[in-house]
Amino acid sequence: AQSVSQHNHHVILSEAASLELGCNYSYGGTVNLFWYVQYPGQHLQLLLKYFSGDPLVKGIKGFEAEFIKSKFSFNLRKPSVQWSDTAEYFCAVNPKAAGNKLTFGGGTRVLVKP
Amino acid sequence: DAGVTQSPTHLIKTRGQQVTLRCSPKSGHDTVSWYQQALGQGPQFIFQYYEEEERQRGNFPDRFSGHQFPNYSSELNVNALLLGDSALYLCASSPGTGGSKAFFGQGTRLTVV
Repeated sequence: AQSVSQHNHHVILSEAASLELGCNYSYGGTVNLFWYVQYPGQHLQLLLKYFSGDPLVKGIKGFEAEFIKSKFSFNLRKPSVQWSDTAEYFCAVNPKAAGNKLTFGGGTRVLVKP
Repeated sequence: DAGVTQSPTHLIKTRGQQVTLRCSPKSGHDTVSWYQQALGQGPQFIFQYYEEEERQRGNFPDRFSGHQFPNYSSELNVNALLLGDSALYLCASSPGTGGSKAFFGQGTRLTVV
């Protein structure tokens, strides 16, 4: 069965700092990859997705992620965070053979201090 | 255009009872998936409904069952509730079953006491 691991459970940053959240998955086949964000009190929202093509994908709110197939990784980055980026971030994997079942990582709570 | 709506938002039940949670998918979406998100963890896939049938199932016991109606809305039923069933239950809808963007509702917070 596939699994997704997110390296950090909690990250604390100051505004304008750069953010990188790690995500590794275990699955040998072709996958779709996602990053979701959950702001306090709100529902899960899609930040960005990778289906195929350019492994560097850009999402909303200045986020980007890079798919490195050889490392089974899909790390999320933002060059300069804002206080409003305080949220929980989830990496998710969808094997293309598995319909649209998503397997999520455990999440990373990001706190951006003003 | 309404997104995914779930009801109720919060629920408290006693161990051994049964519960039904409801989900209305985003307009134009015909597939509904249910996830359980325990405190401090990522969502875990329970099952998916398409064309009123369960199409995929995660590693959850038979106490968890569901239904999809002709208007694509869905219910999640949990029987013989355990304390460990306390979690946020998320509904996600998508167009079709073939790996695409899923939209999530705000969830139902179930507390079993």
